[in-house]
Amino acid sequence: DTAVSQTPKYLVTQMGNDKSIKCEQNLGHDTMYWYKQDSKKFLKIMFSYNNKELIINETVPNRFSPKSPDKAHLNLHINSLELGDSAVYFCASSPSRAAYNEQFFGPGTRLTVL
Amino acid sequence: GENVEQHPSTLSVQEGDSAVIKCTYSDSASNYFPWYKQELGKRPQLIIDIRSNVGEKKDQRIAVTLNKTAKHFSLHITETQPEDSAVYFCATGGTSYGKLTFGQGTILTVHP
Repeated sequence: DTAVSQTPKYLVTQMGNDKSIKCEQNLGHDTMYWYKQDSKKFLKIMFSYNNKELIINETVPNRFSPKSPDKAHLNLHINSLELGDSAVYFCASSPSRAAYNEQFFGPGTRLTVL
Repeated sequence: GENVEQHPSTLSVQEGDSAVIKCTYSDSASNYFPWYKQELGKRPQLIIDIRSNVGEKKDQRIAVTLNKTAKHFSLHITETQPEDSAVYFCATGGTSYGKLTFGQGTILTVHP
């Protein structure tokens, strides 16, 4: 009964490749997020969708493109991977886009770019 | 944009001692202050949060205090246990939908 799930858990790839990470939540939440956690553990928001609508789009290279086919799914596609993209990517969800909601994180996807 | 500074970066205590982690923020419009705990190799999980209309909130062994005037807030853990060992993140929010700005994290180690 995983509330927020991500696939794959690990992703090892070569520079220049294109890859996707998938996220699904079964909590019935309206809002989903993508975070990047770098090697120093720093957590930074990348994107947020509310009911399939993009509401937060931080300063992220346009090689990163999120897609939300429905409110339970939020995918992240990364083009032309670079060494600096190596990190753990966390998906999260919250009941609504209101500021005070708890965010429920997925297990993370560890991306290693060689 | 918001800037959140968290100190200390590492904290080592003996079991049973108290631990305090402090955060300062720059955006006076921030009005939501959650704390997340991340165990090694696991996902971050909310442990306590506070809104700006409250100065202190307590939940068993953990408490958070907020000083809006000085723009800082703190996490207090009493009677620490080895299972409290983790990375703790403060965050601020409330200015843009669910956007949270995280501090750099504090690695807490509780020695038995």
